[in-house]
Amino acid sequence: QQQVKQSPQSLIVQKGGISIINCAYENTAFDYFPWYQQFPGKGPALLIAIRPDVSEKKEGRFTISFNKSAKQFSLHIMDSQPGDSATYFCAAGSRLTFGEGTQLTVNP
Amino acid sequence: DTEVTQTPKHLVMGMTNKKSLKCEQHMGHRAMYWYKQKAKKPPELMFVYSYEKLSINESVPSRFSPECPNSSLLNLHLHALQPEDSALYLCASSRMGLAKETQYFGPGTRLLVL
Repeated sequence: QQQVKQSPQSLIVQKGGISIINCAYENTAFDYFPWYQQFPGKGPALLIAIRPDVSEKKEGRFTISFNKSAKQFSLHIMDSQPGDSATYFCAAGSRLTFGEGTQLTVNP
Repeated sequence: DTEVTQTPKHLVMGMTNKKSLKCEQHMGHRAMYWYKQKAKKPPELMFVYSYEKLSINESVPSRFSPECPNSSLLNLHLHALQPEDSALYLCASSRMGLAKETQYFGPGTRLLVL
């Protein structure tokens, strides 16, 4: 079964702190790993994505780290802000197998 | 413009009603998707249209009937739904439906079946 396991389920971080969300996948054929951000009442929006030939990708305060041998990838949000409070989904593959989501709360 | 629009925003229907959800994009995308999302869960793929042809149906019950009248529009016709079908229905589109393309999601239609 193609699964993506995401942790933690919820995360509370102080403003200015680092938020870290982890995902693990099983299918070695996956070759695309996006992260989506979803605010209440909105559809998911692509935040950042990585391909397995790269170990890290950074866009502003958001960084994906990718470990192909461990079949794991993670999202790091530096200098977390209250406006980052949302649900984050990792996904894998072109058919977007989603993780279960992480509800991030950044306290002011 | 990277906007996918969906109407209506909210819908309440009885189990004997027939209703339709609409999705529209003007980005020239040739792949469009329907997802179902339950509260605090990830989106689940229902259907994929590629170049106006149904290419993927994820074993969705026949009470959900998709339609793609043209490359900009996607409908989801609903009939004889069950209360467990209450969810957020998301439409998405991508450029050609190929691997590794960004999917752009609409805001969704929140459906309540009584």
